[in-house]
Amino acid sequence: NAGVTQTPKFRVLKTGQSMTLLCAQDMNHEYMYWYRQDPGMGLRLIHYSVGEGTTAKGEVPDGYNVSRLKKQNFLLGLESAAPSQTSVYFCASTPPAGTQYFGPGTRLLVL
Amino acid sequence: AQTVTQSQPEMSVQEAETVTLSCTYDTSESDYYLFWYKQPPSRQMILVIRQEAYKQQNATENRFSVNFQKAAKSFSLKISDSQLGDAAMYFCAIHGGGADGLTFGKGTHLIIQP
Repeated sequence: NAGVTQTPKFRVLKTGQSMTLLCAQDMNHEYMYWYRQDPGMGLRLIHYSVGEGTTAKGEVPDGYNVSRLKKQNFLLGLESAAPSQTSVYFCASTPPAGTQYFGPGTRLLVL
Repeated sequence: AQTVTQSQPEMSVQEAETVTLSCTYDTSESDYYLFWYKQPPSRQMILVIRQEAYKQQNATENRFSVNFQKAAKSFSLKISDSQLGDAAMYFCAIHGGGADGLTFGKGTHLIIQP
C-alpha cells in the first residue's frame, strides 16, 4: 500500500513550457486535491475532484488545468509555465468526510 | 469563506518541556473538522491530530492534545515532553465537511532546544 504518490519529485521548466504532474492513490478514495505551497504560506487549494470525470476550481486555479480520467489518478497540467508558478505542489486524497492523506510533494522551479 | 490564523510564526521550547501552539479560525459552517499537520524538513505533511467540531471532548494522541474552544473559535495544540523529532512546521487547518479542500494557516515553526 503506497498511499499517495507524486511524479516527478523535482522539475525545472523554462517560462512558456508545459508539463503534467501525476498523482496516484491506491486507497480507493473518492476525493482528490491539488495544493501549492509557497514560502511563508500554508497550502492553498488549486483544483479538486469528487470522483472520476469530475473536477472543480479551488482558491488559486488560474494557469492550471486538471483531469481525473481514472479514480486513482489526478493530473495537474501547466500549459504555459510562468515564474509565479514556482512552488511545491502537493496532492492529497480522502474518503468523504475523512482525513486528507498527502503525497510527498513535487518541487517545481520555473526559470 | 473560511480563514485560519496562526499568530506565532516561530516558537522555541526546551527538550522535555511543554509548548502550546495557537490557532484561531472563522467559518460559517455548523459542521466542520479541525486538524493539526506537521511538516518536517522532508516536506511530508503528517497528520498530528483531528477534532470534529460536534465533539465537546478534546482530542488527544499520545503527547499531543488540543484545547478546542468552539465559542471562541480557538484550536490550540499542546505538545508535552517535547522531543527533538518534534521540530517542524506545524499547520492548523479547517475543513467545512463538504467536498472542497482544507484551508490552512500560515504555520508555526517549532524549534526544540536540546
